[in-house]
Amino acid sequence: TQLLEQSPQFLSIQEGENLTVYCNSSSVFSSLQWYRQEPGEGPVLLVTVVTGGEVKKLKRLTFQFGDARKDSSLHITAAQPGDTGLYLCAGVTTDSWGKLQFGAGTQVVVTP
Amino acid sequence: DAGVIQSPRHEVTEMGQEVTLRCKPISGHNSLFWYRQTMMRGLELLIYFNNNVPIDDSGMPEDRFSAKMPNASFSTLKIQPSEPRDSAVYFCASRPTGGTTGELFFGEGSRLTVL
Repeated sequence: TQLLEQSPQFLSIQEGENLTVYCNSSSVFSSLQWYRQEPGEGPVLLVTVVTGGEVKKLKRLTFQFGDARKDSSLHITAAQPGDTGLYLCAGVTTDSWGKLQFGAGTQVVVTP
Repeated sequence: DAGVIQSPRHEVTEMGQEVTLRCKPISGHNSLFWYRQTMMRGLELLIYFNNNVPIDDSGMPEDRFSAKMPNASFSTLKIQPSEPRDSAVYFCASRPTGGTTGELFFGEGSRLTVL
């Protein structure tokens, strides 16, 4: 079983629509990160959240860390084809110093 | 600036052969991670090092896998003997600090196919 469960596994939407990706766990995290990966490349960091309830915005992307630091969400407003990619959440639990583990990812496809 | 450099980018080998994957982390980074990515299992952490010392190797599948970091600028992941189920993309990543919030910088991966 995965430490971090992401949903949905796959999301296909039209340009201009909104979408939300979820990342859930029963474990508490000292920090949680979101990465985006494109074909043939390694993941690239989008954001790090460390405080329960924290909300961070990166242009049209909004990231939220749950109050209990067990879950997170990524919301994209007015999606564009350039947002297409594999979105991965990754976290370090409070009892595993520095060990970053990833969820399985959500494949997002935005069509023009 | 040079990022994380992995070699080879692609490797095709036959079952039973030894495979060695190489990684050069970003200069000054003191944590290094090896991950394996497949469609079925996603990104799995195999092992990570801090200051060249292995901290957690609980993700290494079995004794056929071994990893070393002889110095701060080089690491290897070796599979001996290789099996078809080892086919995957292997990523190396480095981090500037040993803390919990630092960004991981990934290489472009080594795609391994074992026939």
